[in-house]
Amino acid sequence: DAKTTQPPSMDCAEGRAANLPCNHSTISGNEYVYWYRQIHSQGPQYIIHGLKNNETNEMASLIITEDRKSSTLILPHATLRDTAVYYCIVRVGSNSGYALNFGKGTSLLVTP
Amino acid sequence: DAGVIQSPRHEVTEMGQEVTLRCKPISGHNSLFWYRQTMMRGLELLIYFNNNVPIDDSGMPEDRFSAKMPNASFSTLKIQPSEPRDSAVYFCASSLGTNTEAFFGQGTRLTVV
Repeated sequence: DAKTTQPPSMDCAEGRAANLPCNHSTISGNEYVYWYRQIHSQGPQYIIHGLKNNETNEMASLIITEDRKSSTLILPHATLRDTAVYYCIVRVGSNSGYALNFGKGTSLLVTP
Repeated sequence: DAGVIQSPRHEVTEMGQEVTLRCKPISGHNSLFWYRQTMMRGLELLIYFNNNVPIDDSGMPEDRFSAKMPNASFSTLKIQPSEPRDSAVYFCASSLGTNTEAFFGQGTRLTVV
């Protein structure tokens, strides 16, 4: 699976949009971009994933550049409960199942 | 569904003892994963199963670690003998098919003294 690069930490004011970048310049055509987050002491939680097109769900939006070499996770109105470590993961889908390889992620701190 | 259920939530054991961690995946899910998390190494994939068959165990640190999935609703991760460096939080996750989200349990915090 391709390697990802994320900033180690970011701050965001409560109520503002949090934009978390991820570089995956070696991504292959059949690799998806996944985002998970881990709130302190809990198991990782799925947020969103995409292949080429931008995606949106009730938690966040995922913007993938046209060349697919980078993406941005957007939390439109960050709350204090969004303070967590956010992981950007690139993986290949296969019929044998798959495994997520977590990197170090971005530690997001949402401040009042 | 109650989600992925792991037991115990906390385990403290003495070095040299056998430790067994348990996981009940979400009903109907056909992929199961075991991860280990430490401050130094972050989240590491240990092994994963698809349809109860181990697919990749290259992350298992050494022969002291073993994992089984006797049926679709139960998996164990065993460490024998345990060592202090095995102290970590162990997560189990399950998913349905490919290209779908994985659901994680709350983890088992293992302390080996």
